[in-house]
Amino acid sequence: GDSVTQTEGLVTLTKGLPVMLNCTYQTTYSPFLFWYVQHLNEAPKLLLKSSTDNKRTEHQGFYATLHKSSSSFHLQKSSVQLSDSALYFCALNTNAYKVIFGKGTHLHVLP
Amino acid sequence: DAGVTQTPRHEVAEKGQTIILKCEPVSGHNDLFWYRQTKIQGLELLSYFRSKSLMEDGGAFKDRFKAEMLNSSFSTLKIQPTEPKDSAVYLCASSLYRGEEQYFGPGTRLTVL
Repeated sequence: GDSVTQTEGLVTLTKGLPVMLNCTYQTTYSPFLFWYVQHLNEAPKLLLKSSTDNKRTEHQGFYATLHKSSSSFHLQKSSVQLSDSALYFCALNTNAYKVIFGKGTHLHVLP
Repeated sequence: DAGVTQTPRHEVAEKGQTIILKCEPVSGHNDLFWYRQTKIQGLELLSYFRSKSLMEDGGAFKDRFKAEMLNSSFSTLKIQPTEPKDSAVYLCASSLYRGEEQYFGPGTRLTVL
């Protein structure tokens, strides 16, 4: 069946360092991939989305490229800031109607 | 445009009570989702409606959880009877159509004593 696997648990980094949060998926349908960010006591909101193979998408300094050959959509940023501390979800939407979320990755940025 | 609204923001219930959570999706959106969020399980899909038709009823949540769309701009989630393990944040989200981003409401934090 369809599934999403992402870096689980807590990722702790010092401000200014690069970060990559992994996301891989499984589906037999044509995929739409999303990254959502949820700050403390707030609702999740869209960070990035893509359905185009091998095209980099960027927003607020974050970027990701959908690679259908490896079923991946990893989230990256070259220099994390304190305000990037949040919970990040990778999500898969397919030609079927289900939307599947990964378990989420907590990113904690230290001063 | 107004975003997704949810009421109440906080709810405290005694075990065995019936509670009803409310959601108003973004105007014009066709898809509506109910999720439960806990630290251990993450986001769990409870129900999914497309153009007011129930497409997904969350499997394991069927017995005590019932979501309805009374019209295209209003949905409810009833939990009956509540149990302490239902304590969580309940999120409502809507999207224009499949493949588009979901817009989430602020959530209802439910505590069952």
